Amino acid sequence: GNSVTQMEGPVTLSEEAFLTINCTYTATGYPSLFWYVQYPGEGLQLLLKATKADDKGSNKGFEATYRKETTSFHLEKGSVQVSDSAVYFCALSSSTSGTYKYIFGTGTRLKVLA
Amino acid sequence: EAGVTQFPSHSVIEKGQTVTLRCDPISGHDNLYWYRRVMGKEIKFLLHFVKESKQDESGMPNNRFLAERTGGTYSTLKVQPAELEDSGVYFCASSLSGGATYEQYFGPGTRLTVT
Repeated sequence: GNSVTQMEGPVTLSEEAFLTINCTYTATGYPSLFWYVQYPGEGLQLLLKATKADDKGSNKGFEATYRKETTSFHLEKGSVQVSDSAVYFCALSSSTSGTYKYIFGTGTRLKVLA
Repeated sequence: EAGVTQFPSHSVIEKGQTVTLRCDPISGHDNLYWYRRVMGKEIKFLLHFVKESKQDESGMPNNRFLAERTGGTYSTLKVQPAELEDSGVYFCASSLSGGATYEQYFGPGTRLTVT
């Protein structure tokens, strides 16, 4: 079945460091891919998305490219800030029985130190 | 525009008791989803409403869980009787359309603790 695998956390970085959070997926067909972020005490917010192969999603300095050949959607940011500390979830949109439900990874907690 | 709201934010109940979680989707969103995250694990799909109809309830763990969406507006998720393994964070999400590319908007979640 469809699945998402995310790198284990927590990830601890110093401010201005480069961030990569790995995400790979298994899916039939052509799913859409998403990164959601959960800041402390808040709900999940869409960070970025890509709906077809080679699309690059970007937002707030974060980027991820939909790589069909490697079935990956790694999240990157060139220079993290303390305010980026949160839990990041990779997800794909998968259709069964007429429903496009999300399949999530386990989440990766990021802590950025000043 | 108000986002997805959930109530309560946190509930602590004893095993065997009943709890009802509520979700108010974004106004005009016909699609409403329930998900659950058990401690440290992935967020898992529970079910999907289109207006007041259940489109897919394949993720519901067992018949102790009952979801309703009367009138196609807010939804409730009742757990009766609650068991220890039901503890986790329950998220509600809504979307304008049910298609693959459409973003689902999530609420802050309800943290359920069963003791």
